[in-house]
Amino acid sequence: EAQVTQNPRYLITVTGKKLTVTCSQNMNHEYMSWYRQDPGLGLRQIYYSMNVEVTDKGDVPEGYKVSRKEKRNFPLILESPSPNQTSLYFCASSSNGQLYGYTFGSGTRLTVV
Amino acid sequence: AQSVAQPEDQVNVAEGNPLTVKCTYSVSGNPYLFWYVQYPNRGLQFLLKYITGDNLVKGSYGFEAEFNKSQTSFHLKKPSALVSDSALYFCAVRGSGTYKYIFGTGTRLKVLA
Repeated sequence: EAQVTQNPRYLITVTGKKLTVTCSQNMNHEYMSWYRQDPGLGLRQIYYSMNVEVTDKGDVPEGYKVSRKEKRNFPLILESPSPNQTSLYFCASSSNGQLYGYTFGSGTRLTVV
Repeated sequence: AQSVAQPEDQVNVAEGNPLTVKCTYSVSGNPYLFWYVQYPNRGLQFLLKYITGDNLVKGSYGFEAEFNKSQTSFHLKKPSALVSDSALYFCAVRGSGTYKYIFGTGTRLKVLA
């Protein structure tokens, strides 16, 4: 089944403790992206990647890192999480410059206390 | 700068009535426009897209959307609403010269039995 898999689904952590949210897709998509969803703000793009070793900042990149060493994986790293990073995070992938629309993962609900 | 506006936080419609969820956009160049739906505790699902061609595009679950270049709008429509259409709907836009993909803040559709 074609899908984007995120892990974990739920995570509660403490301020300053480094964490990684994994994202993997099995569709050989070139384009991958991370979003955060907050009430009243919709989805805001954190980082995106056009292909292996090619990444760029979205609208809200502060406090996040990404890497794209393999085509299928696009992990999101929070080096020192803070409470304002409490949010619902989505990974998404697409082929051919997104002209076919995104496939989204199921989301990761992160709480930073 | 790219932007998307969904002017209604919530739309209520009776089952069997037509529904419209509004979206307006601003981009440089030709727009690529998308609609997504989000059910509770799920990721977003692609509904339909406009890239070029016919201004009326048809998508999943009986939804359609009309691209209006002069009004810079891309409203989502369905001739006869179902209770199961109740969900959160997002409009998204990407300009033809960029990989940045902007989502609206979402409109909650409530279909009343």
